[in-house]
Amino acid sequence: DIVMTQSPDSLAVSLGERATINCKSSESVLYSSNSKDYLAWFQLKPGQPPKMLIYWASTRESGVPDRFSGSGSGTDFTLTISSLQAEDVAVYYCQQYYSIPITFGQGTRLEIK
Amino acid sequence: QVQLVQSGSELKKPGASVKVSCKASGYTFSRYTMNWVRQAPGQGLEWMGWINTNTGNPTYAQGFTGRFVFSLDTSVSTTYLQISDLKAEDTAVYYCARDGPRGTGDYWGQGTLVTVSS
Repeated sequence: DIVMTQSPDSLAVSLGERATINCKSSESVLYSSNSKDYLAWFQLKPGQPPKMLIYWASTRESGVPDRFSGSGSGTDFTLTISSLQAEDVAVYYCQQYYSIPITFGQGTRLEIK
Repeated sequence: QVQLVQSGSELKKPGASVKVSCKASGYTFSRYTMNWVRQAPGQGLEWMGWINTNTGNPTYAQGFTGRFVFSLDTSVSTTYLQISDLKAEDTAVYYCARDGPRGTGDYWGQGTLVTVSS
């Protein structure tokens, strides 16, 4: 199984400041035949289902604000929120869908400082 | 528009069974595999497995074999999760999530809380 490890476990950032969440996979999730990283980022708020923010490691889902961006390839990935807004308070998860079983990181709780 | 609508919350006693439904609309149901994901209280997201909505063939993650069964009814575009011999540790929110062209979880159901308590 591919193990996904996020850092930090929790993060407090001031409004308007940058938030950075890291995700490391135990194996590469880059599929060489199409050069795509099978890595997604999700936002989870209480009482709501997870919301896909980023797929293929760096492609923003339709309707997601452009302050959210994803980067990285192979085994190391980053989710960046360029200017934190109050509505961004949530738990964020990375997910690999390169191989079965599909696995998630443990989650990073993002709060306002 | 794509929608996944799940059945409502359930309160069950230990040893009972529960069947959660996930009705899809807004796309061709048999085109995309459906996943099931669990979130236990205070815990993270855990992939339980998926069902091929074209063949009906299920795949279960380790830890979700035996008591957990995925099924579907293509006539009503609905997938089901049945859990038998419920235990307290099965208390969780269960989500269905579509395996779409952008990846696993491009659309999610609203979640179904299953509470197991005597």
